[in-house]
Amino acid sequence: ILNVEQSPQSLHVQEGDSTNFTCSFPSSNFYALHWYRWETAKSPEALFVMTLNGDEKKKGRISATLNTKEGYSYLYIKGSQPEDSATYLCAFLHIKAAGNKLTFGGGTRVLVKP
Amino acid sequence: DAEITQSPRHKITETGRQVTLACHQTWNHNNMFWYRQDLGHGLRLIHYSYGVHDTNKGEVSDGYSVSRSNTEDLPLTLESAASSQTSVYFCASSSGQGGYEQYFGPGTRLTVT
Repeated sequence: ILNVEQSPQSLHVQEGDSTNFTCSFPSSNFYALHWYRWETAKSPEALFVMTLNGDEKKKGRISATLNTKEGYSYLYIKGSQPEDSATYLCAFLHIKAAGNKLTFGGGTRVLVKP
Repeated sequence: DAEITQSPRHKITETGRQVTLACHQTWNHNNMFWYRQDLGHGLRLIHYSYGVHDTNKGEVSDGYSVSRSNTEDLPLTLESAASSQTSVYFCASSSGQGGYEQYFGPGTRLTVT
């Protein structure tokens, strides 16, 4: 069983502040790391798919970095807004997982307070 | 526009009954997945399929089955519903190999009484 950990489990952020949180995954047999944003009462939506060590991806105020050698990825939210409130999931793809069989972490629940 | 749909959106059933949840995608994706959402566990994989007539067990497959008779559909069957199967179920699909994002359906909330 692959171990994908996210920390913290939840965090409260004041509107306008920046924040970041971590996804840890196995450092061996890496193929890809996905980030999904999951708003309450909706379904998860992909933010980033990262495949290369040192990768940095950005979408608006949200960005992510990837370190495959040490097995972690950071997600950053700059200038948090209430609409950023959601659960952020990371998911690891093992090199031997045919197709696209992801192992998800437990998520980091972000609440942005006005 | 291509989409992935699930039905029903809400279902209440009794312990011991057989229940089938439908998943239909128009992306023409080969890969389809069923997850359940559980507090503290995020999304856990129940079953998945890489193409027509292909099915595979995920980490929490006991008590569930799937069949893939065409590209568009992957119905999930609970053979004999148990209260432990009360959950929100998500279907997802993706194309190809490797790091392709998964597209999720809207979810089905199942309550087993």
